[in-house]
Amino acid sequence: GQQVMQIPQYQHVQEGEDFTTYCNSSTTLSNIQWYKQRPGGHPVFLIQLVKSGEVKKQKRLTFQFGEAKKNSSLHITATQTTDVGTYFCAGPENSGGSNYKLTFGKGTLLTVNP
Amino acid sequence: DTGVSQDPRHKITKRGQNVTFRCDPISEHNRLYWYRQTLGQGPEFLTYFQNEAQLEKSRLLSDRFSAERPKGSFSTLEIQRTEQGDSAMYLCASSLSKGINSPLHFGNGTRLTVT
Repeated sequence: GQQVMQIPQYQHVQEGEDFTTYCNSSTTLSNIQWYKQRPGGHPVFLIQLVKSGEVKKQKRLTFQFGEAKKNSSLHITATQTTDVGTYFCAGPENSGGSNYKLTFGKGTLLTVNP
Repeated sequence: DTGVSQDPRHKITKRGQNVTFRCDPISEHNRLYWYRQTLGQGPEFLTYFQNEAQLEKSRLLSDRFSAERPKGSFSTLEIQRTEQGDSAMYLCASSLSKGINSPLHFGNGTRLTVT
């Protein structure tokens, strides 16, 4: 079945440093979604990427979707303590486009030292 | 939008007992999902409903697990004869079926501990 892998598993940074997490799928994806889960919380949707090579920005967060639509990355510029949490990428198992069944990666846990 | 509501938040049960969890999705969402999450892992798909129809169930899910969504509104997830390996966070999520642009809205989850 489809596998979604994320690296690194953990990342500890000093506040103000940049952070990047990478996501790779074993299959071509119609789209990819990113979620953030704060400690003790539930996953919260951040963004969805659909087009090959797409880049989207949300303030200090930059999301990229690879040209082959098999990989993605999330980059945070100048991390803040509010960025702490686990970042998950997720791709639909149904390559037809519906996201009804998302496969999540194991996530990257980001901790920020103030 | 009151969000996805799950009940209970925590459940401690003894091995062999049955447990039932409830999920109330966002009212206008017609898709409902159950996921399971263990420590250090991402959410793992369990099952999915479109309205009242259960369209898919994970092959990893044993026959001890059953889910319903009567009338296409709230859903229940029942685990029979619980085992210690069932201990996990059970997350419910809902979404609108608007093509590919339909993010999942998760509830706070029910944390199950089987002793």
